[in-house]
Amino acid sequence: QKEVEQNSGPLSVPEGAIASLNCTYSDRGSQSFFWYRQYSGKSPELIMSIYSNGDQEDGRFTAQLNKASQYVSLLIRDSQPSDSATYLCAVTRNAGKSTFGDGTTLTVKP
Amino acid sequence: DTAVSQTPKYLVTQMGNDKSIKCEQNLGHDTMYWYKQDSKKFLKIMFSYNNKELIINETVPNRFSPKSPDKAHLNLHINSLELGDSAVYFCASSHRGSNTDTQYFGPGTRLTVL
Repeated sequence: QKEVEQNSGPLSVPEGAIASLNCTYSDRGSQSFFWYRQYSGKSPELIMSIYSNGDQEDGRFTAQLNKASQYVSLLIRDSQPSDSATYLCAVTRNAGKSTFGDGTTLTVKP
Repeated sequence: DTAVSQTPKYLVTQMGNDKSIKCEQNLGHDTMYWYKQDSKKFLKIMFSYNNKELIINETVPNRFSPKSPDKAHLNLHINSLELGDSAVYFCASSHRGSNTDTQYFGPGTRLTVL
């Protein structure tokens, strides 16, 4: 079992729809959870971080964390073509080491 | 102002050569990392330094040797390059003391071994 697993892609949604990205992790001691976005040929950039159970919203992005289920998700509302990218889930137990999932490639079709 | 910079951006070399990649951050962070991203886009940590001290050393061939001359720099030297070393190498930094561990990535170095 991988330490961090993301729903297999690619994921395709029409413009304006909600894109839902999921991630599960195996280490119950994990403390910090991140979503990074990576455009093709570019470096990962942080879009959301979440540290406690519940929802965290930032504009069109909502991160949801459920530590009991070891599950973290990212919802993108009103998806835009510019959201097309690979989304990486990262989980940190101890500061200094993040484990990344394999990524989910999202395509938003106009 | 570039937060995390890497040089070179592209590196094409022959098998068996030795090469180095340099990384610098001007964010005042205390922790720096090297990641390898292969052709399948899987991002895997290789090394991490905190205040110039090695804190993470994943299962990486000893042909790879990181060096941190100060908190703002973390270089990666690779000896006897092999075809399988071809990948994009990302440097990143974070402030460990902040407890959030958000990582800021450099632009990457695309290494091609022929």
